Amino acid sequence: RKEVEQDPGPFNVPEGATVAFNCTYSNSASQSFFWYRQDCRKEPKLLMSVYSSGNEDGRFTAQLNRASQYISLLIRDSKLSDSATYLCVVNPTGSGGYNKLIFGAGTRLAVHP
Amino acid sequence: DAMVIQNPRYQVTQFGKPVTLSCSQTLNHNVMYWYQQKSSQAPKLLFHYYDKDFNNEADTPDNFQSRRPNTSFCFLDIRSPGLGDAAMYLCATSREVAGGLETQYFGPGTRLLVL
Repeated sequence: RKEVEQDPGPFNVPEGATVAFNCTYSNSASQSFFWYRQDCRKEPKLLMSVYSSGNEDGRFTAQLNRASQYISLLIRDSKLSDSATYLCVVNPTGSGGYNKLIFGAGTRLAVHP
Repeated sequence: DAMVIQNPRYQVTQFGKPVTLSCSQTLNHNVMYWYQQKSSQAPKLLFHYYDKDFNNEADTPDNFQSRRPNTSFCFLDIRSPGLGDAAMYLCATSREVAGGLETQYFGPGTRLLVL
């Protein structure tokens, strides 16, 4: 089983739609969680951290469910510019304080007019 | 302003010919990482430096080496590139803060092609 698993997609949605991605992780002791965005042939960029209480940043909402070991990302009112691959990222404990990140393979989102 | 810089952005090498990729940072972060990312796959950590302390991932092939001569620079050496080493190579940095480490900042990557 992969340490971080995501549905690869693609999710094809019209502008203005609401779309949700889920991600599961295997290490129950993991402490830090993130969503990164990666555009085609570009580097990953931090979209948002995921906190236990859930957090929102504009049209983006992230949720963490520790009991079920999954993380979600909700995008409301999708824009064409949201088209990208969204990477679920987990920092497992026992990494020796080195902030080792484990990446999922990403979920591809395509927003069309 | 670029904070994590990778050169070159595109590198073509021949099968078996050693190649070096470089990364520099203006953030003064004490931790630097090298990742390999193949098409439609997750970035895979190869190794990282915590200050001068080198940490190799268990499954990183011996063909891959790294050097960090100072805080700002880090190099990835591929001693004998094979066709399977064609990928995007990403450099990232992070810094230690109270309570742990901040998240990672990535450079734009170097895309390696092996002929």
